[in-house]
Amino acid sequence: EAQVTQNPRYLITVTGKKLTVTCSQNMNHEYMSWYRQDPGLGLRQIYYSMNVEVTDKGDVPEGYKVSRKEKRNFPLILESPSPNQTSLYFCASSVAGAVEQYFGPGTRLTVT
Amino acid sequence: QKEVEQNSGPLSVPEGAIASLNCTYSDRGSQSFFWYRQYSGKSPELIMFIYSNGDKEDGRFTAQLNKASQYVSLLIRDSQPSDSATYLCAVTWGYQKVTFGIGTKLQVIP
Repeated sequence: EAQVTQNPRYLITVTGKKLTVTCSQNMNHEYMSWYRQDPGLGLRQIYYSMNVEVTDKGDVPEGYKVSRKEKRNFPLILESPSPNQTSLYFCASSVAGAVEQYFGPGTRLTVT
Repeated sequence: QKEVEQNSGPLSVPEGAIASLNCTYSDRGSQSFFWYRQYSGKSPELIMFIYSNGDKEDGRFTAQLNKASQYVSLLIRDSQPSDSATYLCAVTWGYQKVTFGIGTKLQVIP
């Protein structure tokens, strides 16, 4: 089954404790992207990757890191999480470019 | 900062009616336009995309694009209660970056 998976689905953590949210797709897609969704602000792009070892900033990259060492995986790293990073995070992928994207199930992160 | 604007709603329509969802965008260089549907507690799913001026129909859905007016819309014919969801307009810039609107909540009343 073609899908984008994210882990964990729910995470409660404390300020400053490094965490990684994993994202994996099995569709051999070149493009992958991370978003956060907040009430009243909608979906905002954090980082995207056009292919292996090619990543770039979206609209809200501060406080986040990404890497793309394999085509299927695109982890999101919060090295020192803060409460303002409490949000619902989505990973998405597409064949090439920011076109028709397939979204993962989401990760709800709470930073206390 | 690229902007995509939508009315957050809710937009209420009776079952069987036509629902009209609208979206405007700020940059004339925008390339591709998408409509995603998001049910409460779920992830967005693509329902329509349009690249050229005019109309594009797929079943009960029609996407309309007017680049001169920087306007894209989604029409849902014969609306069903199962269409009740939030509809997100998305616009790509430079083929790599994408901006979403805040979404319009649609309620279809049986």
